[in-house]
Amino acid sequence: GENVEQHPSTLSVQEGDSAVIKCTYSDSASNYFPWYKQELGKRPQLIIDIRSNVGEKKDQRIAVTLNKTAKHFSLHITETQPEDSAVYFCAARTGGGADGLTFGKGTHLIIQP
Amino acid sequence: NAGVTQTPKFQVLKTGQSMTLQCAQDMNHEYMSWYRQDPGMGLRLIHYSVGAGITDQGEVPNGYNVSRSTTEDFPLRLLSAAPSQTSVYFCASTTRGSGNTIYFGEGSWLTVV
Repeated sequence: GENVEQHPSTLSVQEGDSAVIKCTYSDSASNYFPWYKQELGKRPQLIIDIRSNVGEKKDQRIAVTLNKTAKHFSLHITETQPEDSAVYFCAARTGGGADGLTFGKGTHLIIQP
Repeated sequence: NAGVTQTPKFQVLKTGQSMTLQCAQDMNHEYMSWYRQDPGMGLRLIHYSVGAGITDQGEVPNGYNVSRSTTEDFPLRLLSAAPSQTSVYFCASTTRGSGNTIYFGEGSWLTVV
């Protein structure tokens, strides 16, 4: 089955700086890669996603890049703000989505004032 | 439009007891799934369903049963609870097809003592 590795497990950045979280996946058939933000005690919330036919996608301060050859994808957050502090999860899905998502173990992003 | 609704939100069980976590969605989604979230482990797929009458196992199915008698409902049953099943459980749903947004319920916090 699919295996998703996520790094780093904790990331501390100064407010206003950029943050980058990286994930690798093992199954070359995976074709959908969402990123979720989870605040303490809350459900995961989709913040951005990318499909395998696209190399990069941007939404305001958030961007995701995908390298299918190397089987890795990354989340980039620019101009970080205190409200960006949360746990972020990457995930991968294979085929038609019937078998659900495989998640990375999460990155705890801490924005230092 | 309530989205994905899970009940109960909190539950304490004694070892050996049984219970059912309820999940309902009102978006007419074909696909539904259950995940568990443990500290430092991300979310792991327990069971999933691609439509009424069809279910299949995910990554960590042992100790859990599911059924899908209607499109709207996807209950998760713990037949004989064990302390290792102490976790946060999330139900999710999505439409058929790769790359469609997955919607999560608010989560159910289960403690087995």
